[in-house]
Amino acid sequence: EAGVAQSPRYKIIEKRQSVAFWCNPISGHATLYWYQQILGQGPKLLIQFQNNGVVDDSQLPKDRFSAERLKGVDSTLKIQPAKLEDSAVYLCASSLDFASGGNEQFFGPGTRLTVL
Amino acid sequence: GDSVTQMEGPVTLSEEAFLTINCTYTATGYPSLFWYVQYPGEGLQLLLKATKADDKGSNKGFEATYRKETTSFHLEKGSVQVSDSAVYFCALTRSGGYNKLIFGAGTRLAVHP
Repeated sequence: EAGVAQSPRYKIIEKRQSVAFWCNPISGHATLYWYQQILGQGPKLLIQFQNNGVVDDSQLPKDRFSAERLKGVDSTLKIQPAKLEDSAVYLCASSLDFASGGNEQFFGPGTRLTVL
Repeated sequence: GDSVTQMEGPVTLSEEAFLTINCTYTATGYPSLFWYVQYPGEGLQLLLKATKADDKGSNKGFEATYRKETTSFHLEKGSVQVSDSAVYFCALTRSGGYNKLIFGAGTRLAVHP
């Protein structure tokens, strides 16, 4: 079974530029999560989708971050414009329908973003 | 709000030593508790979990018991190997919530031969 795929693995940009990350979850997983992991900290949820609807985006900085999952499968997370403090690893995870008790999340390898 | 506190690292041990990584939590209701591991250059992997009080999760020689009275979920292993060197994260999901994982800061373990 293929795992969660993410690309790119690494990205270096200058502040005020824009960047986008892509995630393809495990086939059949209805729930998709984006986490931000700043160096030395645990991951923090940015946004959670159930199929193509948003379940929780309470910690997403909506003035600069956006995310979509238009067809309920793969997802894109965008930052525009980037700030220095956005330097982090962005992790995508997926799980079966959380509402049906599918609470094990499977993580992708992450995208390491460096903002200069 | 809900939170997880882990012992600070790094933890440095010799091979075959006993490992304990402390984890305590604050949450309303009855959360599910998890330990995730991140090996160098790899993504987060679920190590073990427990979904109710007094449950013991176990995997690959690691164990953790859900202790509601002390709000703890300490990770233990009787004899560590060099290959166990990684960062370990304690986490919870709130009961009745949307399955959002709330992580501790992580504890780096280094095992030397």
